[in-house]
Amino acid sequence: SQQGEEDPQALSIQEGENATMNCSYKTSINNLQWYRQNSGRGLVHLILIRSNEREKHSGRLRVTLDTSKKSSSLLITASRAADTASYFCATDAGAGNQFYFGTGTSLTVIP
Amino acid sequence: DTGVSQNPRHKITKRGQNVTFRCDPISEHNRLYWYRQTLGQGPEFLTYFQNEAQLEKSRLLSDRFSAERPKGSFSTLEIQRTEQGDSAMYLCASSLSRGQGGYGYTFGSGTRLTVV
Repeated sequence: SQQGEEDPQALSIQEGENATMNCSYKTSINNLQWYRQNSGRGLVHLILIRSNEREKHSGRLRVTLDTSKKSSSLLITASRAADTASYFCATDAGAGNQFYFGTGTSLTVIP
Repeated sequence: DTGVSQNPRHKITKRGQNVTFRCDPISEHNRLYWYRQTLGQGPEFLTYFQNEAQLEKSRLLSDRFSAERPKGSFSTLEIQRTEQGDSAMYLCASSLSRGQGGYGYTFGSGTRLTVV
């Protein structure tokens, strides 16, 4: 079963705009991660945020985590055509050793 | 080290045949994971190794599936008597132990299996 659910399922924006995608999960977590996947390829780790952190930045990426609402958001600023991909959140369900992935948000950045 | 390597990239097999995939993780990573991903879905956990020990298996991993990681290095995933429902991308990932700060996974490019 998949713990995380991303919203929206699909997002289309113009190059230069910001893209925001959300992730909701069901049980308490230690860490939450965001990954990017280009079509037909493996996943690339973007950022990890721990349960005691509220916000994290990496380049044009900003991730927030609200453990009271069991939700996270990924903001990509000044989007580029190369950001076109699917984005997944992944959560570790408590004591588990594996991460559970959501169904992803498909982002299209129009040049 | 060039990351996580998976072979083959693509595999087409007839229903009922056995297939084996290989994953070479990043050498210093002691954890290795197998996931399966179907079109439009996120990866689903199959199994996990710490060094050579297989510590967790998903209920998705039927008795037709077996995974090994001899000597804690590369891993193989074998599917016996393949079925059309086994068609998917099989992803391997490796990581350092959680105790070292909860690192993210490094994924390979996957093996795409098509059962005809």
